[in-house]
Amino acid sequence: DGGITQSPKYLFRKEGQNVTLSCEQNLNHDAMYWYRQDPGQGLRLIYYSQIVNDFQKGDIAEGYSVSREKKESFPLTVTSAQKNPTAFYLCASSTASGSGNEQFFGPGTRLTVL
Amino acid sequence: AQSVTQLGSHVSVSEGALVLLRCNYSSSVPPYLFWYVQYPNQGLQLLLKYTTGATLVKGINGFEAEFKKSETSFHLTKPSAHMSDAAEYFCAVSRSGNTDKLIFGTGTRLQVFP
Repeated sequence: DGGITQSPKYLFRKEGQNVTLSCEQNLNHDAMYWYRQDPGQGLRLIYYSQIVNDFQKGDIAEGYSVSREKKESFPLTVTSAQKNPTAFYLCASSTASGSGNEQFFGPGTRLTVL
Repeated sequence: AQSVTQLGSHVSVSEGALVLLRCNYSSSVPPYLFWYVQYPNQGLQLLLKYTTGATLVKGINGFEAEFKKSETSFHLTKPSAHMSDAAEYFCAVSRSGNTDKLIFGTGTRLQVFP
């Protein structure tokens, strides 16, 4: 079955540590996205990538970094510079034609900073 | 700039009653509009989308939405609520340009009482 996988489902981190969230898709989509979800705030875009080896900052990129070395993978690193990293993180993908294509979402990773 | 406003962060209905979730958008260009549903601790699933053509859009699970340009609205309805409809619902608008980046509303949590 085609889809998006995220791992781990739950992640605990100590303050000051970097942590990397995994996102893999086998939908052959060109575009991939990372969102952060906080209660009452909807989804906010962190980074997106329209093609391999290229990515752009979203609305809340500070304290995060990404890479896109393979079409199917778009890992997100939450760095120690992110002041409030506890949140639910969602990865998504779409065909990047700009014609209103839907985004397909993974199941999410819940990050808690201890 | 594009934006989305969802009126009512919480909506409660009785099983069998009409469901109406409100969404208003702001866009300087013809928008692409989406409704997504999220069950607890899961990713988002597309309910329906409007791109062009017929303004009444039918989606999965008996939901539908009507694009009203004059009212800049895209309200989601379902004639008869089921207990399984209890979830959070997000309205989103696609940004202008050649990508599929989305701007999300803050979400509406639907409760269904027996």
